[in-house]
Amino acid sequence: EPEVTQTPSHQVTQMGQEVILRCVPISNHLYFYWYRQILGQKVEFLVSFYNNEISEKSEIFDDQFSVERPDGSNFTLKIRSTKLEDSAMYFCASRRGVNTEAFFGQGTRLTVV
Amino acid sequence: QQQVKQSPQSLIVQKGGISIINCAYENTAFDYFPWYQQFPGKGPALLIAIRPDVSEKKEGRFTISFNKSAKQFSLHIMDSQPGDSATYFCAATYSGYSTLTFGKGTMLLVSP
Repeated sequence: EPEVTQTPSHQVTQMGQEVILRCVPISNHLYFYWYRQILGQKVEFLVSFYNNEISEKSEIFDDQFSVERPDGSNFTLKIRSTKLEDSAMYFCASRRGVNTEAFFGQGTRLTVV
Repeated sequence: QQQVKQSPQSLIVQKGGISIINCAYENTAFDYFPWYQQFPGKGPALLIAIRPDVSEKKEGRFTISFNKSAKQFSLHIMDSQPGDSATYFCAATYSGYSTLTFGKGTMLLVSP
């Protein structure tokens, strides 16, 4: 069964460092998302991506964040200068169409120290 | 307007019992209401979903009840099993708009 895969599963980084979280969405999917979940809290939307551009972003997704689909298969989230409060589980999701099921990856746990 | 409120925050149910989780929404444009199940260290996985043209949807032991006038929907897990122990999130979105708005989650523990 096709699945969304994310790497790494756990990333520890020092405050102020740049991190790139990677995702491989399901191959025939067209819509891509990043969500995050701070420990014990709800899943929060960060950004959606369609047709090689950002289609929507939340207020969380400030200038420190960027997304890219560099090669038609990977979908990346970059955090330029990490803060302690960026520590969270980051989930990538994809869907084939706007009214279809969203599939989530297993997440990347980012720990900023 | 975009919020989805979920309760309870945590729930303990005995094996064989019924687990009930409730959600309420404000945005009347929402027309797709999925429930996600999340095990520790895993991503949310779609469990069951409903659209407001029906008041109930059942898949195995899992049932969604939907009350459009009250803007509420709930998940019922019949004959709850220890393997059902997980965090459950309700969510909502609307046609033509693909981003999900999640509730805060309910941690369910089914005791043997």
